[in-house]
Amino acid sequence: AQSVTQLDSQVPVFEEAPVELRCNYSSSVSVYLFWYVQYPNQGLQLLLKYLSGSTLVKGINGFEAEFNKSQTSFHLRKPSVHISDTAEYFCAVSKSYIPTFGRGTSLIVHP
Amino acid sequence: GAGVSQSPSNKVTEKGKDVELRCDPISGHTALYWYRQRLGQGLEFLIYFQGNSAPDKSGLPSDRFSAERTGESVSTLTIQRTQQEDSAVYLCASSLGSGGHNEQFFGPGTRLTVL
Repeated sequence: AQSVTQLDSQVPVFEEAPVELRCNYSSSVSVYLFWYVQYPNQGLQLLLKYLSGSTLVKGINGFEAEFNKSQTSFHLRKPSVHISDTAEYFCAVSKSYIPTFGRGTSLIVHP
Repeated sequence: GAGVSQSPSNKVTEKGKDVELRCDPISGHTALYWYRQRLGQGLEFLIYFQGNSAPDKSGLPSDRFSAERTGESVSTLTIQRTQQEDSAVYLCASSLGSGGHNEQFFGPGTRLTVL
C-alpha cells in the first residue's frame, strides 16, 4: 500500500517570496510522483511529474520539485510566487493505475 | 482540443433522491476515473474504467453508487437514495493509458449538495 502526507494544510506567503510545499510518501516499491494544481472552481491540472532519471524536475509556471529517495520526499518549490499562484496543490503517487493523492496544501499569496 | 467535460456543474437534490452525473473524456483516452473530493480533503478514488475491461469498483463507498461507461466514451456516475454525506465535488479524469506514469486530465467537477 502507498500513502501520501502533505504536512501543511495551508501556506501563507507574500508575493515574490520563495515557497516550499512539502510532500512525503510511503511505499514498498518504486513509484511515480506528481504535483497537481487546482484553481478555484476548476479541475486539477498537472504541474510536473517524476518518472525516472534526474531527481530535479521542472514544471510549468516556474515550479520545480526534487525527488529524494532516501527521505521519501517530493517537495515542490518556487523561488518567487505571484498572486496568481494562489490555489490548492496536490501531491500524488502511483505505481499501478490507481494514484494516491495527498489531502492538499492551500497556497495563499498575499500582496 | 476539448478537455474533459462534466455535467451538471452544480446539482442540488433532496435526501433520498437519485442523481446522475456525466463525464465526457478526452477523445482517444482509454482510461477514465471518478473521484470524490470532500471539503478540505484529498481525492478519494471511486471507480476506474480501462477500454472494454471490467471496471475496478474497489473505491465505491456503498452499493448506492454505480457507474457505467460506453466503450471509450461517455461515463455516468449514479448515486441512488442520496444522503447528506454524499455532498461533495465529484471529479472525472481521463488518461491515455492505464500505466501509473500517465498524466490524468481532470474535468471541472460536479458539485453535489444533498439537502
